[in-house]
Amino acid sequence: SQTIHQWPATLVQPVGSPLSLECTVEGTSNPNLYWYRQAAGRGLQLLFYSVGIGQISSEVPQNLSASRPQDRQFILSSKKLLLSDSGFYLCAWSRKGLNQPQHFGDGTRLSIL
Amino acid sequence: EDQVTQSPEALRLQEGESSSLNCSYTVSGLRGLFWYRQDPGKGPEFLFTLYSAGEEKEKERLKATLTKKESFLHITAPKPEDSATYLCAVPMDTGRRALTFGSGTRLQVQP
Repeated sequence: SQTIHQWPATLVQPVGSPLSLECTVEGTSNPNLYWYRQAAGRGLQLLFYSVGIGQISSEVPQNLSASRPQDRQFILSSKKLLLSDSGFYLCAWSRKGLNQPQHFGDGTRLSIL
Repeated sequence: EDQVTQSPEALRLQEGESSSLNCSYTVSGLRGLFWYRQDPGKGPEFLFTLYSAGEEKEKERLKATLTKKESFLHITAPKPEDSATYLCAVPMDTGRRALTFGSGTRLQVQP
């Protein structure tokens, strides 16, 4: 069966510090990968998605970036965090093909001080 | 632009009190609708995919239905462990492979 791992689960960072969140998927190959952010009481906002190694599409202009160095690894980064970057970050994967459901990790709660 | 609206925002039920959650959408050609359950501090858990009007899917006390404009998640005789936020989502416009999510319905089932 397929599993998705995100870490860390919780992170507290000062403003202006760098960020690296990791996500890995097991049990499948060549998945589509996604990064979402969820603000309290609101829906999920898509940040980035990837259909393959090195292929990243950005949905929202911001100071975050994403990379996919390996087939089943997705990384969310920032060089300098802002207060507005606080939130709940979720990684997801789906199979290739139209209208496939996405499967989510357990998220990273990021607090910026 | 695709939009997904869920109602009510919050719902409190007594154990055994059946009810329905609503998800209405405006998309240019529906290519599927997804229901998820999200527990506090966790990622959404996939429940159902519905592809065409009239389709129904069931899982334990949950049944999802789909019309041309909306979907319902019916909860029959709920238990406290059904308490969670329920999210619906539709695929974004062609060429964008991700989902547009509603803001969810927070369900609380009291014993």
